[in-house]
Amino acid sequence: RKEVEQDPGPFNVPEGATVAFNCTYSNSASQSFFWYRQDCRKEPKLLMSVYSSGNEDGRFTAQLNRASQYISLLIRDSKLSDSATYLCVVNTNTGGFKTIFGAGTRLFVKA
Amino acid sequence: DAEITQSPRHKITETGRQVTLACHQTWNHNNMFWYRQDLGHGLRLIHYSYGVQDTNKGEVSDGYSVSRSNTEDLPLTLESAASSQTSVYFCASSERRDGNEQFFGPGTRLTVL
Repeated sequence: RKEVEQDPGPFNVPEGATVAFNCTYSNSASQSFFWYRQDCRKEPKLLMSVYSSGNEDGRFTAQLNRASQYISLLIRDSKLSDSATYLCVVNTNTGGFKTIFGAGTRLFVKA
Repeated sequence: DAEITQSPRHKITETGRQVTLACHQTWNHNNMFWYRQDLGHGLRLIHYSYGVQDTNKGEVSDGYSVSRSNTEDLPLTLESAASSQTSVYFCASSERRDGNEQFFGPGTRLTVL
């Protein structure tokens, strides 16, 4: 089982749709969580951190469920420019620091 | 503006050759990382460094080495390139050791024939 798992998609949605991505992690000692965005043939860039209390940044909402060991990303009112791959990232610090990237979920937003 | 650069952006080499990929950052970050990205695997950590003269092995370090002689640079060397090392390589840096936000370079696409 992978340490961080994501549905690879692709998710094909029309403009204006709401789309949700989930990510599960296996290490209960994981400490911090992030969503990164990666455009085709580009480098990953931080989209948002994920806090226990949940956090929102405009059309994007991230949530963490420690009990079930998953994090989610909700995108409301999808734009064409949201088309990208979304990477779930989990940090642990047990026996040494470790950052684990999920394989990513591909999103296509269509006009 | 601070940035992180990688060179070359594209490289084709032959099996058995030694290859060095450069990474240079002007963020003045102590922490630097090398990843490879392959379809279906996401980014996997090769080596990382927490400061000058410090280097550590990551998840997929076999066949790779790094050195850190200054804050700005962390070159990645493939000692004897293999076809299995064909991949896209990303360098990253972060302010904090726990990698709260990692800033990535544009990547190097390496093909080993």
